[in-house]
Amino acid sequence: GAGVSQSPRYKVAKRGQDVALRCDPISGHVSLFWYQQALGQGPEFLTYFQNEAQLDKSGLPSDRFFAERPEGSVSTLKIQRTQQEDSAVYLCASSPSGPGWFEKLFFGSGTQLSVL
Amino acid sequence: QKEVEQDPGPLSVPEGAIVSLNCTYSNSAFQYFMWYRQYSRKGPELLMYTYSSGNKEDGRFTAQVDKSSKYISLFIRDSQPSDSATYLCAPLHNTDKLIFGTGTRLQVFP
Repeated sequence: GAGVSQSPRYKVAKRGQDVALRCDPISGHVSLFWYQQALGQGPEFLTYFQNEAQLDKSGLPSDRFFAERPEGSVSTLKIQRTQQEDSAVYLCASSPSGPGWFEKLFFGSGTQLSVL
Repeated sequence: QKEVEQDPGPLSVPEGAIVSLNCTYSNSAFQYFMWYRQYSRKGPELLMYTYSSGNKEDGRFTAQVDKSSKYISLFIRDSQPSDSATYLCAPLHNTDKLIFGTGTRLQVFP
């Protein structure tokens, strides 16, 4: 596809369940970002990959959150033992690397996670 | 205190009005300042950005940065109902990640 694709679009989980959220970046994009957007708030940075290397995970809220990008393309954000405060939209974005990368940063439509 | 502060609104204006959207920030190291538009149930999309202080115009949109007061503005002229969305300011931190404001919800009614 032409854009960043995220799946599932919606996910309902019972508290304590593990979930996995998938991001398919734009083909050839080296950089991949995950953001968390709570209702009525702006996106909050979670983590950043360049190819398969996770260069910054300073935004992950707890050790229940884990992200990977093993082959430098598709990325998965995993949340273990989900809590109600994890309910949010999880946004993925990808871009080329190099100067001006932010001009070519594109976001997916997100996965809306609801933890009951 | 958050690094970027933005009034969440909502802001409701009639079609044709001039809209002013604003943010303040605390980190003087920010150099690039983005404005994103986000429609309901969609990801943010880049509207425009400025580097350092000054103005930048793109059609009906003007972005303005005053680094001395750490104040960022977006002006929309001749607003249209299709401009109804949430507008997010997002300075770039260390040239490697965006720090978003809360977003201001704008509604333009016919």
